[in-house]
Amino acid sequence: AQSVTQLDSQVPVFEEAPVELRCNYSSSVSVYLFWYVQYPNQGLQLLLKYLSGSTLVESINGFEAEFNKSQTSFHLRKPSVHISDTAEYFCAAGTYKYIFGTGTRLKVLA
Amino acid sequence: DGGITQSPKYLFRKEGQNVTLSCEQNLNHDAMYWYRQDPGQGLRLIYYSQIVNDFQKGDIAEGYSVSREKKESFPLTVTSAQKNPTAFYLCASTPQGGEMNTEAFFGQGTRLTVV
Repeated sequence: AQSVTQLDSQVPVFEEAPVELRCNYSSSVSVYLFWYVQYPNQGLQLLLKYLSGSTLVESINGFEAEFNKSQTSFHLRKPSVHISDTAEYFCAAGTYKYIFGTGTRLKVLA
Repeated sequence: DGGITQSPKYLFRKEGQNVTLSCEQNLNHDAMYWYRQDPGQGLRLIYYSQIVNDFQKGDIAEGYSVSREKKESFPLTVTSAQKNPTAFYLCASTPQGGEMNTEAFFGQGTRLTVV
């Protein structure tokens, strides 16, 4: 069975500090991997995705994620966070349907 | 602008009532989805439709029903059989169903509360 695990339900971090949000997946078939961001009372927006090719993918607002097949991970990182990054982040795996993790609430502190 | 529109944004339901949540898209996408979001549980798939006049149950379909009479529309009815309907409901679409190698586009959600 396919599954996506986000071990950290909440991550507090000070502004301008680095952050890593962890995501591990389990799948017996090839998957496509995604990170989505959700601001309060809104839908999800795509942050970045891995389909194939380079294992390091980047977003336009400074986030990056690295696909690690041996560790079945797709952790999200940002070297310096801003207050505006406060949101909930969802990791998802795509096979014949999307499988979402339970989300990580990132709170950036001033 | 292309996108997905969910209405209403907030909805209150009395015990024993059926309510219908609207989802409309103008992206010309074939596939549409309904998810339920509860705190700490992520998104759970209720129903999905890969093509007009066809839909399949997701992981938590009990107490819900859908229709897909038009490509643009995928309404969700929360019936009185759903014992715990209070949640945030999200509608999404993708260009095609099947292999999920594309971005899903989400609506802004409907927050349903039972009063």
